[in-house]
Amino acid sequence: AQSVTQLDSHVSVSEGTPVLLRCNYSSSYSPSLFWYVQHPNKGLQLLLKYTSAATLVKGINGFEAEFKKSETSFHLTKPSAHMSDAAEYFCVVSLSNTGNQFYFGTGTSLTVIP
Amino acid sequence: KAGVTQTPRYLIKTRGQQVTLSCSPISGHRSVSWYQQTPGQGLQFLFEYFSETQRNKGNFPGRFSGRQFSNSRSEMNVSTLELGDSALYLCASSLASGGSYEQYFGPGTRLTVT
Repeated sequence: AQSVTQLDSHVSVSEGTPVLLRCNYSSSYSPSLFWYVQHPNKGLQLLLKYTSAATLVKGINGFEAEFKKSETSFHLTKPSAHMSDAAEYFCVVSLSNTGNQFYFGTGTSLTVIP
Repeated sequence: KAGVTQTPRYLIKTRGQQVTLSCSPISGHRSVSWYQQTPGQGLQFLFEYFSETQRNKGNFPGRFSGRQFSNSRSEMNVSTLELGDSALYLCASSLASGGSYEQYFGPGTRLTVT
């Protein structure tokens, strides 16, 4: 079975400070992992993806994530938060043997305090 | 390139009715997946279509169905609507099917069942 756990339902940071959004996954096979962001009343936007190449993945808007197989984690980070980063973030796992079936985490709501 | 488009954007239906939602994928994309997003259950996979064939189906009742046309456009249908079907329905397109492909999401159709 495969599942995704986002460890924090809500994270608050001050503008200019680092962001850490935590994600753990469970998968019987080598997974592909993604982070998506959803701004209010907007669709889901891809931030970055991991597909068994480099374990440190760089995405858009300064975000990056590190795949750690030993810890089954794929945490999302950003060195310096911007007000525009306030949104809902979803960690996603996908398996090659189940087509494009995405398994979503429950989401982390990020608040950026000015 | 135009993104994924979904019509209609908003829909209000009465319990017992049926509804059809439409999705036009990004040009050249052959896979279309559908997801349901609710505050209680989060984002859940409905089904995926690739080259006009249903490749995967999530754990939803048979009232939820879909199809894909030769131009890759897709429709999903919900029959005998229930109050619990009120949700944001998201369509996503991908170049191909295989788990490692990123999916690009449309803005969604907000369905309200009264």
